[in-house]
This record gives sequence, C-alpha cells and structure tokens, in this order.
Amino acid sequence: AQSVTQPDIHITVSEGASLELRCNYSYGATPYLFWYVQSPGQGLQLLLKYFSGDTLVQGIKGFEAEFKRSQSSFNLRKPSVHWSDAAEYFCAVGANNAGNMLTFGGGTRLMVKP
Amino acid sequence: DADVTQTPRNRITKTGKRIMLECSQTKGHDRMYWYRQDPGLGLRLIYYSFDVKDINKGEISDGYSVSRQAQAKFSLSLESAIPNQTALYFCATSDPGLVHEQFFGPGTRLTVL
Repeated sequence: AQSVTQPDIHITVSEGASLELRCNYSYGATPYLFWYVQSPGQGLQLLLKYFSGDTLVQGIKGFEAEFKRSQSSFNLRKPSVHWSDAAEYFCAVGANNAGNMLTFGGGTRLMVKP
Repeated sequence: DADVTQTPRNRITKTGKRIMLECSQTKGHDRMYWYRQDPGLGLRLIYYSFDVKDINKGEISDGYSVSRQAQAKFSLSLESAIPNQTALYFCATSDPGLVHEQFFGPGTRLTVL
C-alpha cells in the first residue's frame, strides 16, 4: 500500500522569502502525485499534479513541484511567498489502479511573517 | 455556486446522538468520497461510492454509515456519536476520466461533547 510523509508539521517563512515543502511517498510503481492547499474555512484546492513526463510541474498561484524518483520525493516550491499563501498544504499519492483513490500526508501548516 | 456543497458547515452534538452530514454535487461525477481530517493525520477515507449502487468501506469506517440517494447526493451518518469523532469532515467527487483528481466540498466541522 502507498503512504505519504510530510516531515514538517509547521513552517514559518517571511513574506517574500522562498518556500519549499517536503513530501516523500512510498509506492512500488510510478505514482500519481498531487499537492492540495486548504485555506482557513475552505475545502481543499488542487495546486498541481504529476502523472508522467516532465518532472517539474507548474501549478496555480506560482507554485511548482519536482518529482524525483530516486528520492521518492515530490517537494513543493515557490520563489516568493505572499501573506495569502498562509494555509495548510497536503501532498497526496494515487496508486495506478481503479478507483481514483488518494492517500494523503499529514499536512504542513504554513505561516507567513510580515 | 459551489460545485460540491456540504451541510451543515458546523455542528455541535452530544454523545450518543445520531448525526447526518450531507453532501451534494453539481459536477455530474459518479464517484464520491467521505474523509475526516484530524490534526497531523491528514485526510483519512471513511467511505466511497463509485455509483448509486456501489458503496465501499474506506480506511476508518467503524462507527459510520453512508447512503447514496442519487448520483448527486452522498450522506454520512454517525449512528451514535462519540467524542473521538470530533473532526473536520470533507466530501469529495471525482470523474474516472480525470485520473485521481478529486474535488472537495468546504467541510463540516463536527464537535461531539
């Protein structure tokens, strides 16, 4: 069975600084990988996804993520954080079988200092 | 209007009460899911349904039941609520053509006293 680890429970960065959120997965084959964001009081919104091809994927709101098979990682990055990026971020993995099933990591809460 | 809606958005109840959380969607998706979110644990799957006649248990189904009344409606029930069911509950939908991508409702915050 697949699993996802987000090692950082909380991260605080200054506005304008760069950001990297870590995600490590465990799955025997090439996974489908996702990053979702949950703003306060909101549901989860898809930031970006990786299925195949170019290992650097671009998403909404200026986010990008890089799939590294050798490290079983799919880290999320943003070059310059805005105060509105404060939220909780979830990495998820989908197995290559029927059902559109997702396994989520525990989440990383991002706080942005002015 | 939101594609996936959940009612109520907040609910406080007492131990032993029966509670129903409702989810409706206008996306036309066949597949629907119920998750609960607890701090540090991410989202865990409670039940999922691939169509009106197909209901499946997820990772943590004990203490919960579901009903798929129509393609657009999927309800989650707590037959006898207990305090450790206090959590944020999310409904989600997906389409087989959009591999694994799920669309989430705004969540229901449930507190069991």
